[in-house]
Amino acid sequence: GQQLNQSPQSMFIQEGEDVSMNCTSSSIFNTWLWYKQDPGEGPVLLIALYKAGELTSNGRLTAQFGITRKDSFLNISASIPSDVGIYFCAGQFSIGNEKLTFGTGTRLTIIP
Amino acid sequence: SAVISQKPSRDICQRGTSLTIQCQVDSQVTMMFWYRQQPGQSLTLIATANQGSEATYESGFVIDKFPISRPNLTFSTLTVSNMSPEDSSIYLCSVGGYNEQFFGPGTRLTVL
Repeated sequence: GQQLNQSPQSMFIQEGEDVSMNCTSSSIFNTWLWYKQDPGEGPVLLIALYKAGELTSNGRLTAQFGITRKDSFLNISASIPSDVGIYFCAGQFSIGNEKLTFGTGTRLTIIP
Repeated sequence: SAVISQKPSRDICQRGTSLTIQCQVDSQVTMMFWYRQQPGQSLTLIATANQGSEATYESGFVIDKFPISRPNLTFSTLTVSNMSPEDSSIYLCSVGGYNEQFFGPGTRLTVL
């Protein structure tokens, strides 16, 4: 099945740095969701975006729904050790087609 | 968000056998989904399981290999049949609908 292209694939940063990652698709989505997955656990929903151009924050996290509806961006400010994990974007088409198409993931590592 | 549990949390199985994974939700939900996450990979939707109807399978997944039951609005099972080492993955159920989906903790399956 289709997967969304997510970049970068991995990031190695120092604590306190800001992080940016993005997700691109060949298809238009009507909803973009961002998840974080810790080892041995299921993905946890971080932010949901519902409208093209929308900018939404959740604490130190900010995500944007691209104006073309084919991309989305996630920023994390002032990273802390608990930010370590794998971040996934996911696109959703519409009511009646609620399945999620996931991105390839961005693995975030914080260097001590 | 709903509280989702899965059983078993992990299992090691012999090839040729079958394993049934349970997903329990603490509230009634219309839509449940089953995903597979192969080692080091992203999530791929196996099927959508709605109560009172046959599950809808994604391309590449068939009912004979992954039979699904959805007897009520709080419970579903996924069976991985006639297992081979290639079936070693994390299997996750999710609930929700348009604009948000929440995931269970996953079942880590290893097939020898």
